[in-house]
Amino acid sequence: EAQVTQNPRYLITVTGKKLTVTCSQNMNHEYMSWYRQDPGLGLRQIYYSMNVEVTDKGDVPEGYKVSRKEKRNFPLILESPSPNQTSLYFCASSPLEEPFSGANVLTFGAGSRLTVL
Amino acid sequence: AQSVTQPDIHITVSEGASLELRCNYSYGATPYLFWYVQSPGQGLQLLLKYFSGDTLVQGIKGFEAEFKRSQSSFNLRKPSVHWSDAAEYFCAVGHTNAGKSTFGDGTTLTVKP
Repeated sequence: EAQVTQNPRYLITVTGKKLTVTCSQNMNHEYMSWYRQDPGLGLRQIYYSMNVEVTDKGDVPEGYKVSRKEKRNFPLILESPSPNQTSLYFCASSPLEEPFSGANVLTFGAGSRLTVL
Repeated sequence: AQSVTQPDIHITVSEGASLELRCNYSYGATPYLFWYVQSPGQGLQLLLKYFSGDTLVQGIKGFEAEFKRSQSSFNLRKPSVHWSDAAEYFCAVGHTNAGKSTFGDGTTLTVKP
């Protein structure tokens, strides 16, 4: 089954304890992206990657890091989490098909709910 | 700066009634526009997209949307709503030939029996 898999689905952690949310897709998609969803604020893009070793900032990158060493994986790293990073996080992927844009035919993961105390 | 506005935070309609969800965008070039739906506890699913050409686009689940450049709008419509359509709906602009995307704040649809 074609899918985007995120782990963990739920996590409660404490301020300052480094954590990684993994994202893996099995569709050989070039493009991957991370979003956070907060009530009343919709989805805001954190980082995206157009291909292996190519990453760029979205609208809210502060406090986050990403890497794209393999095509299928795009982990989101919170080096020193803070309470304002409590949110629902989504990873998404899409092929680089023309015409291309950052919202094209995205396949989303099921989400990771993170709570930082 | 690019932006997407969904003026209605919450809409309630009766089952079988028609539906229109509003979306206004601000984008410097010809926009690529999308509607996504999020069912409770799920990720988002693409309903339909507009790149160019015919301004009335058809999507899945009986939804359609109309691009109106003069009004900077891309409203989503459905002639007869089903209870299973209850969800949150997001309008989005994809930045042309780039990896950035901008989503609206979402509209929550409640369907009354």
